Amino acid sequence: QKEVEQDPGPLSVPEGAIVSLNCTYSNSAFQYFMWYRQYSRKGPELLMYTYSSGNKEDGRFTAQVDKSSKYISLFIRDSQPSDSATYLCAGSIQGAQKLVFGQGTRLTINP
Amino acid sequence: DADVTQTPRNRITKTGKRIMLECSQTKGHDRMYWYRQDPGLGLRLIYYSFDVKDINKGEISDGYSVSRQAQAKFSLSLESAIPNQTALYFCATSDSGTGGSAKNIQYFGAGTRLSVL
Repeated sequence: QKEVEQDPGPLSVPEGAIVSLNCTYSNSAFQYFMWYRQYSRKGPELLMYTYSSGNKEDGRFTAQVDKSSKYISLFIRDSQPSDSATYLCAGSIQGAQKLVFGQGTRLTINP
Repeated sequence: DADVTQTPRNRITKTGKRIMLECSQTKGHDRMYWYRQDPGLGLRLIYYSFDVKDINKGEISDGYSVSRQAQAKFSLSLESAIPNQTALYFCATSDSGTGGSAKNIQYFGAGTRLSVL
C-alpha cells in the first residue's frame, strides 16, 4: 500500500464549478501536507501547505486535513480553465528527509 | 531565469547508452533531489543529497547514480539505459534553514523527458 493514495482521474468539470480533490494517507507521523500543481510539460509548483489538522485558505483554494480519518482535501472555488493541471498531494514528517507524493489527479476545467 | 534548471529538456537515446541529466540551482538551497514521474505512479524518489558530501538512495535507485559536484549542481546518470527508464525526470531543491527542513518544501525544475529506445 502506498503511503499516500490519490485518485488519478481524469476529472473534468465545467467552468465555475467547485472542485474537490482528495487524498488518503497511512502514515500517522505525517505532520505537513502539501498540494502541488503541475501544468503540462512543467515541473510541480507548490500551491499550499498545511500543518497538522485544520483548514487553510488562499484565494479560491482551500486545503483541509482531517488527521482522524487520514484524509487530505483541496477545494477550488469558481474554477477557471487556467486551473486545468495535475494536482499532487504530499505528506511529510517534521524534520524528515523527504516528501511522499500521491499519484496526482489530472483536472480539466471546461469553458 | 529559472531557479532550478535542468538540461537537456528532452533526450532520446538507445538501449545500453550512458546518459547524464544535469541540474543546477540558484536558490542557494543545500538539499537536492532527483525524481522520476510515470503515468499512474506519481513522483518517485531516486536519490537525494543534503550537502556535497552526503548522497542517499531513494526508493528506486537501481540503475541510476548521482554526483553532487557543488552545492548548486546535482547530476543523475544512467550507466546503461534501458527502455523502462523512459520517463519524465525532475530535479528539486529544498532549504534546511529557516524552518524549511521542518516542512520539507521542495522546488522543482521543468523536467527532462527521456526516451530510451
